[in-house]
Amino acid sequence: SQQGEEDPQALSIQEGENATMNCSYKTSINNLQWYRQNSGRGLVHLILIRSNEREKHSGRLRVTLDTSKKSSSLLITASRAADTASYFCATDARAGGSNYKLTFGKGTLLTVNP
Amino acid sequence: ETGVTQTPRHLVMGMTNKKSLKCEQHLGHNAMYWYKQSAKKPLELMFVYSLEERVENNSVPSRFSPECPNSSHLFLHLHTLQPEDSALYLCASSQVGDLFTDTQYFGPGTRLTVL
Repeated sequence: SQQGEEDPQALSIQEGENATMNCSYKTSINNLQWYRQNSGRGLVHLILIRSNEREKHSGRLRVTLDTSKKSSSLLITASRAADTASYFCATDARAGGSNYKLTFGKGTLLTVNP
Repeated sequence: ETGVTQTPRHLVMGMTNKKSLKCEQHLGHNAMYWYKQSAKKPLELMFVYSLEERVENNSVPSRFSPECPNSSHLFLHLHTLQPEDSALYLCASSQVGDLFTDTQYFGPGTRLTVL
């Protein structure tokens, strides 16, 4: 199975509520990134957290990383209808030698209802 | 706008056609990527170029042929495709010191339909 797996697959909330998405991975990483994708469009980088960091904030986004559990969470506070999108975690995993590969999960589809 | 453009945005082709997808990045990056995104599947990395040399090829069928003439341009040449090749093809670029670990900037994608 793929390196990063998001949970839940789909999430529907009301505007103003908080949205939490989780990502689990299998192998050791140097960093973990979260990306957002609006329907049929390219991915947009949101935030990167390194393996020696436990929490990071960017505006209404809060990302945590627990390397002992090999998991990360993305919290979007005070959600807006414009936050409706798919959210992906991406991990880099050592793949032999000094090369790394950025691997994406299947994503969480977030729907924020007005 | 992420600084990465892709053309065309939509493409419909028959299985016997030959077409090319184009990607251009205006960010001064030194690595470019092709990904395939199919419904209900994770993003699949197809090709990676760093400093115009191909450094990653995940056993993609030979009916997909990449070309990177310089660090700003990337092409994906298509020929004799199959209906299962229908997908969103995404181009990305990044500035790498340590290959693969840096933030990637994506283009809007080309929606390809193979009839």
